[in-house]
Amino acid sequence: GQQLNQSPQSMFIQEGEDVSMNCTSSSIFNTWLWYKQDPGEGPVLLIALYKAGELTSNGRLTAQFGITRKDSFLNISASIPSDVGIYFCAGQLGGGSNYKLTFGKGTLLTVNP
Amino acid sequence: DAGVTQSPTHLIKTRGQQVTLRCSPKSGHDTVSWYQQALGQGPQFIFQYYEEEERQRGNFPDRFSGHQFPNYSSELNVNALLLGDSALYLCASSLSWFDEQYFGPGTRLTVT
Repeated sequence: GQQLNQSPQSMFIQEGEDVSMNCTSSSIFNTWLWYKQDPGEGPVLLIALYKAGELTSNGRLTAQFGITRKDSFLNISASIPSDVGIYFCAGQLGGGSNYKLTFGKGTLLTVNP
Repeated sequence: DAGVTQSPTHLIKTRGQQVTLRCSPKSGHDTVSWYQQALGQGPQFIFQYYEEEERQRGNFPDRFSGHQFPNYSSELNVNALLLGDSALYLCASSLSWFDEQYFGPGTRLTVT
């Protein structure tokens, strides 16, 4: 099945550093979402974006909906050890019967205390 | 307020067997979607149920079927299990078919 292109695949950073990751698609989406998944758990919704160009924050997390509707970015500022996990982007086309989520392969984030 | 719950947590089956996984949506949610997550991959959409009907289906064979009950809970059935069906099966619920999806902890299925 289709998957979004998410990069980087993994990141190893020091506590306190800022982190950036992105997600691209060959087709447009009308909603972009970012999820975090801890080992043995289901994905937890972090941020949802509904409008091209939109910039939304949730605490230390900031995400942007690309103007072309084919990409999205997630930034984490001042990382802490509990930020460790896998971050997934997901796109949703919407309209009619098309509300399934299409996911990227994830970015594995490791934070060194 | 309970979130999405799934049962069982883990399951081991043999090739050719059949399996049923269960999901209870978040309180107030009427739509349930199922996803398959293979190791090292993002979740892949299987299907979505709303008002006890399958609304949308992903690229999965007919061996994968589902059901939604009047209380909005849902089951995922997989027949004639293959080794490749080993994965984490995630259920997500939403207020309606177009709303944000919230995931349960998943059921880890191992096929031997």
